[in-house]
Amino acid sequence: DIQMTQSPSSLSASVGDRITITCRASQTLNSYLNWYQQKPGKAPKLLIYLASSLQSGVPSRFSGSGSGSGTDFTLTISSLQPDDFATYYCQQSYTTLPTFGGGTKVEI
Amino acid sequence: QVQLQQSGPGLVKPSQTLSLTCAISGDSVSGNSAAWNWIRQSPSRGLEWLGRTYYRSKWYYDYALSVKSRMTINPDTSKNHFSLQLNSVTPEDTAIYYCARSVNDWGFDSWGQGTLVTVSS
Repeated sequence: DIQMTQSPSSLSASVGDRITITCRASQTLNSYLNWYQQKPGKAPKLLIYLASSLQSGVPSRFSGSGSGSGTDFTLTISSLQPDDFATYYCQQSYTTLPTFGGGTKVEI
Repeated sequence: QVQLQQSGPGLVKPSQTLSLTCAISGDSVSGNSAAWNWIRQSPSRGLEWLGRTYYRSKWYYDYALSVKSRMTINPDTSKNHFSLQLNSVTPEDTAIYYCARSVNDWGFDSWGQGTLVTVSS
């Protein structure tokens, strides 16, 4: 299985802050990397697919990027809003056995 | 808009079979672009993909290595739903179980509401 490592595991931020979450894969993913937001008691919600494509209906303050190595990816929230305090997960869909990162909890 | 509605018991005894169903509206279980997945979440294991089925002229199935010997996914075209059966459960199978749709390996874009399944006598 491809191992997905997220950092940090948690962060504290304020409304209006720009934050970045990193995800590293144990092997190249060729951009098959997705990001989700999850709030307590709810299912995860797809934000970004194929590393940098914004899912329909997701605000443009969310963006994703990947490095040339195909193993390092970032999720950026350009200006944190009250609704953005949640846990974020990366997930690889490069192989037939998808795997998730351990999550990053964004707190006030 | 695709909607997934899960059903099934929230309590299963050890060594018995966990069974859940995911009813699909707004798409077809036998459509040629989607795959239908089961994912679970627990504090100890995080988000764990369990398996999927999809139809491309015939039915295909993929399972996570951790559950491959115990898990079956069954699509039902007459009811437009798919089900999960996990045999010989132990307390380690206690988790919130989700069904989800994926299209072209572009992430899981629709999710069921989740079912908390507790394995306990």
